Amino acid sequence: QVQLVESGGGVVQPGRSLRLSCAASGFTFSNYGMHWVRQAPGKGLEWVAVISFDGSDIYYEDSVKGRFSISRDNSKNTLYLLMDSLRPEDTAVYYCTKGVVVIASYFQHWGQGTLVSVSS
Amino acid sequence: EIVLTQSPGTLSLSPGERATLSCRASQSVNSNYLAWYQQKPGQAPRLLIYGASSRATGIPDRFSGSGSGTDFTLTISRLEPEDAAVYYCQQYGNSWTFGQGTKMEIK
Repeated sequence: QVQLVESGGGVVQPGRSLRLSCAASGFTFSNYGMHWVRQAPGKGLEWVAVISFDGSDIYYEDSVKGRFSISRDNSKNTLYLLMDSLRPEDTAVYYCTKGVVVIASYFQHWGQGTLVSVSS
Repeated sequence: EIVLTQSPGTLSLSPGERATLSCRASQSVNSNYLAWYQQKPGQAPRLLIYGASSRATGIPDRFSGSGSGTDFTLTISRLEPEDAAVYYCQQYGNSWTFGQGTKMEIK
C-alpha cells in the first residue's frame, strides 16, 4: 500500500534553514505529482508547493516563494522541501501528499507529518 | 486566488442524523475540481470525495458530495460516533486552496 514517511522536522531559529524529506513506497513514485501541505498548530490546512512527476513543473504558495524549494529524486523515491529564511509563522506540521498523474490534483494519500517549530 | 468559505463552523448532531456541510467558492471552480477531507485529532487528513462527487477508495457510501460552480455540499447520512472530526473542502482547479473547516461534533 502507499506509504509516505516524512522526516527532518525539528526546532530551528528564525532565519535558519531546514530540509524535509519524504520517503515514498507502494506506488511508482516517478509517475505522480507530489505536494507539501502544512498545518499550523490549531489551524487549518495550507497548500505549500507542488512538483510534477518529472520535476519540470513547480509552483509555490506566495508566502514561501523565494524561500522554499521543492525537489525530488525519482531514483530514490524521495521528495524534498528545502526551507530557507524560516520565520515563526512557518511553524507547522508539514505533510507530504501524493497527487494523481496530472498536476491539477487532489491529495490522494498523506504522510503522518513532521513538525517544524521556528523559535528563538 | 479562489477563497473557499465553509459553513457552519461547528455542527453538533446525534448518531443516526443527517449532516449537511457547505463549501462556497469566491469564483467558479474549474471542472468541479473540488475535494473533501476528514481530519481526526492527531491524525493526517483523509480524502473522502474528489471531483465534487466521486467517493475515494474505501469511503463508506454514507458520505456523498454534490454541487457545481461555486456551491458544494458534503452530506453524511446516518451519522456514527466515529464521524466526529474536522471536515475541509479543497479546490484544485486554480492553484490549490482549502476552506477553513467545519467541526463535526457527535452528541
